[in-house]
Amino acid sequence: DSGVTQTPKHLITATGQRVTLRCSPRSGDLSVYWYQQSLDQGLQFLIQYYNGEERAKGNILERFSAQQFPDLHSELNLSSLELGDSALYFCASSTPRYRDNGQQYFGPGTRLTVT
Amino acid sequence: GESVGLHLPTLSVQEGDNSIINCAYSNSASDYFIWYKQESGKGPQFIIDIRSNMDKRQGQRVTVLLNKTVKHLSLQIAATQPGDSAVYFCAENTGGFKTIFGAGTRLFVKA
Repeated sequence: DSGVTQTPKHLITATGQRVTLRCSPRSGDLSVYWYQQSLDQGLQFLIQYYNGEERAKGNILERFSAQQFPDLHSELNLSSLELGDSALYFCASSTPRYRDNGQQYFGPGTRLTVT
Repeated sequence: GESVGLHLPTLSVQEGDNSIINCAYSNSASDYFIWYKQESGKGPQFIIDIRSNMDKRQGQRVTVLLNKTVKHLSLQIAATQPGDSAVYFCAENTGGFKTIFGAGTRLFVKA
């Protein structure tokens, strides 16, 4: 158990809908990261937050948005869903060091299926 | 663009043999590298890391080698076991706190 929790575990929704994925980081970690992993693919970095502020952005679509709240939990909002958005969405947390993000701890993921 | 890639997408080894998983990176400014293991249905899990001021680091049954001259990273697993079957990702920390993951290598361990 990494200490990172994600809800829900599974999500099935229709095209055009909007969903919210939730992540609670490991106790003490200030940074949260979101990744998308399609079937048998690598990890696509979406976005990173540090102590409530956006720190780094990857290939995140404009239909997707995220935020980190004062209690450090984070939510990833996916809107106008398309079939191609079906994937595993992972949240990770870490406490960044002076020059790098440090070791990231990954949650169990949310499997999103868009029908 | 900048990327981290892997030479072999799939590796099959006999139980008890040593495994070597390779990774190439393109950002010469990257100074921190990590290997993660992802078992089926689970999130990636940290295995070992190395900083750019080192060329070798050992853990329990695993060794990471870094060759900055050719921008190459490798993960060696000694006495590979069935439980080592998974997808292995290398990751680099570039400047600006950006972490880039490689495409992944699937390791199959034959009994």
